[in-house]
Amino acid sequence: GQNIDQPTEMTATEGAIVQINCTYQTSGFNGLFWYQQHAGEAPTFLSYNVLDGLEEKGRFSSFLSRSKGYSYLLLKELQMKDSASYLCAVRSGGYQKVTFGIGTKLQVIP
Amino acid sequence: GAVVSQHPSWVICKSGTSVKIECRSLDFQATTMFWYRQFPKQSLMLMATSNEGSKATYEQGVEKDKFLINHASLTLSTLTVTSAHPEDSSFYICSAFDRTDTQYFGPGTRLTVL
Repeated sequence: GQNIDQPTEMTATEGAIVQINCTYQTSGFNGLFWYQQHAGEAPTFLSYNVLDGLEEKGRFSSFLSRSKGYSYLLLKELQMKDSASYLCAVRSGGYQKVTFGIGTKLQVIP
Repeated sequence: GAVVSQHPSWVICKSGTSVKIECRSLDFQATTMFWYRQFPKQSLMLMATSNEGSKATYEQGVEKDKFLINHASLTLSTLTVTSAHPEDSSFYICSAFDRTDTQYFGPGTRLTVL
């Protein structure tokens, strides 16, 4: 089986930086995704890490350490529209099968 | 980017009826599609993997006779919730990977069973 852990809620200030952590335990690891999901909507793709290190994409960056079973999503220059749930998801074992964590609900305050 | 559509976007039905949800990949072919279910304030739970031209693979605890999946073409998968009950009320989301190995989600279908 798989176990994916991330904080359920976080609050951060507009313009600041926030880091959302995700730890996982799985066999046959084959990549880690981060998705953003606004209430009542489907998830949208943010990043995909399969090798160790930091991937930067605009205001969002994602880091992976396979040996530690650890990833984080870094959001810079926070905007009010970044208030959403951020889902950590792990692909492992079977072809394209992805398992999601519970998601971190981020609230950005003025 | 690639697009995945779902129809309907929402549906309300009476208990005991069946509801069909369609998932289409609009500009790419998908031999495999995935069906997820999301209850309020919970994460997405994979229900089944839909395979074009063959039987779907269901996750543990998901009743295959209740959630019928048909993947008749490379761009269409359907999920039929049979004899729906109020506890089946949920947000149903499908997804597919395009050939660049990027996963795209449909917009979701909100099912409410009265």
